[in-house]
Amino acid sequence: AQKITQTQPGMFVQEKEAVTLDCTYDTSDQSYGLFWYKQPSSGEMIFLIYQGSYDEQNATEGRYSLNFQKARKSANLVISASQLGDSAMYFCAMREGWGGGADGLTFGKGTHLIIQP
Amino acid sequence: ETGVTQTPRHLVMGMTNKKSLKCEQHLGHNAMYWYKQSAKKPLELMFVYNFKEQTENNSVPSRFSPECPNSSHLFLHLHTLQPEDSALYLCASSQEKGAGETQYFGPGTRLLVL
Repeated sequence: AQKITQTQPGMFVQEKEAVTLDCTYDTSDQSYGLFWYKQPSSGEMIFLIYQGSYDEQNATEGRYSLNFQKARKSANLVISASQLGDSAMYFCAMREGWGGGADGLTFGKGTHLIIQP
Repeated sequence: ETGVTQTPRHLVMGMTNKKSLKCEQHLGHNAMYWYKQSAKKPLELMFVYNFKEQTENNSVPSRFSPECPNSSHLFLHLHTLQPEDSALYLCASSQEKGAGETQYFGPGTRLLVL
């Protein structure tokens, strides 16, 4: 079973509109971290935002916010007032445990976001 | 952002060649990672190093050989690769291991195996 599911392979959004990118996750751990990364065509993975499983508030970083619904195992990324430069691949990722077990990130398949003028 | 650098950025090699990918982090981190990103597949973790010690080998074929001489440098030595090994290889680093630690990535090396 996939641990990270991103159901939107591609999205077209009008500039200045808000965008919600979906992410659901599967884990039996109580402690985990959820991350969103942006990957432009150049290839570099750019960290956007982090949400810890014990964080009670939804994370926010500038125009990015994470809509964390723990009971539904959902961690959607919201981009407010989209810009042309937001066009890229967006990956949701999870890291399980606190120092034990695998320490790498498990990634979803990504959503290709295209912002139209 | 130049916190994590990777060289070369592009590499073309034959199946009988030996080459090495280099990663360097300038963030003072203690953990470093290699990931593979193939077309139309999610990123796959390959190796994890923490304080220069390998802590994870994600069932990677022996034709990929990592080396971590210190906490700032990570290498991936390549030999007798196959065409299916063509991919983007990404290096990342984090302060420590652990679920709450953010990993910061380099720009990647695009590898083509002929």
